[in-house]
Amino acid sequence: DVKVTQSSRYLVKRTGEKVFLECVQDMDHENMFWYRQDPGLGLRLIYFSYDVKMKEKGDIPEGYSVSREKKERFSLILESASTNQTSMYLCASRGPGTGRTYGYTFGSGTRLTVV
Amino acid sequence: QKEVEQDPGPLSVPEGAIVSLNCTYSNSAFQYFMWYRQYSRKGPELLMYTYSSGNKEDGRFTAQVDKSSKYISLFIRDSQPSDSATYLCATGGYQKVTFGTGTKLQVIP
Repeated sequence: DVKVTQSSRYLVKRTGEKVFLECVQDMDHENMFWYRQDPGLGLRLIYFSYDVKMKEKGDIPEGYSVSREKKERFSLILESASTNQTSMYLCASRGPGTGRTYGYTFGSGTRLTVV
Repeated sequence: QKEVEQDPGPLSVPEGAIVSLNCTYSNSAFQYFMWYRQYSRKGPELLMYTYSSGNKEDGRFTAQVDKSSKYISLFIRDSQPSDSATYLCATGGYQKVTFGTGTKLQVIP
């Protein structure tokens, strides 16, 4: 089974800090995604990547950037954390093709609180 | 109009009941349809996957897609307390999908 590992389950950061959220997948997938999940708003796509060093903006990229230097690792960066970025952050990986491997595999999430 | 609409619930049913969860979507070009289950404080896990239209069955779970009405459904037969979770529908094209906001289900023993 594909495993997607997010480095931290819980993080507390101060306003204005630069925050790094790390995600690693172990199945050589090309496609990786970062979402945030908020009550009543569901999952919203922040950034995604289809290849090393490649990135595409999702629906809510403002205040975030990403880095993909290696295929297995996709990092989300909060340039200057703000309280409205307090959320659950979910990383996902997706296989190729149109079969069941198309389904996303998610990490366990990082609950970020910005104070 | 949201791309995917899902009733947030919560939905509470007795053990053994048949559960029906539904979503509507707006883009007729969507070809990929999925249901995810998310337990509290966990990431979503893929439950059902359908490409294009039709039904798909896996044990107690059945997923249906009606592209003519842009309606997707998940049925759970003989529901169990372990089915208590939030269920998210997802649909989209090859590049990315859009998720519903999730329906919280509680199965009462």
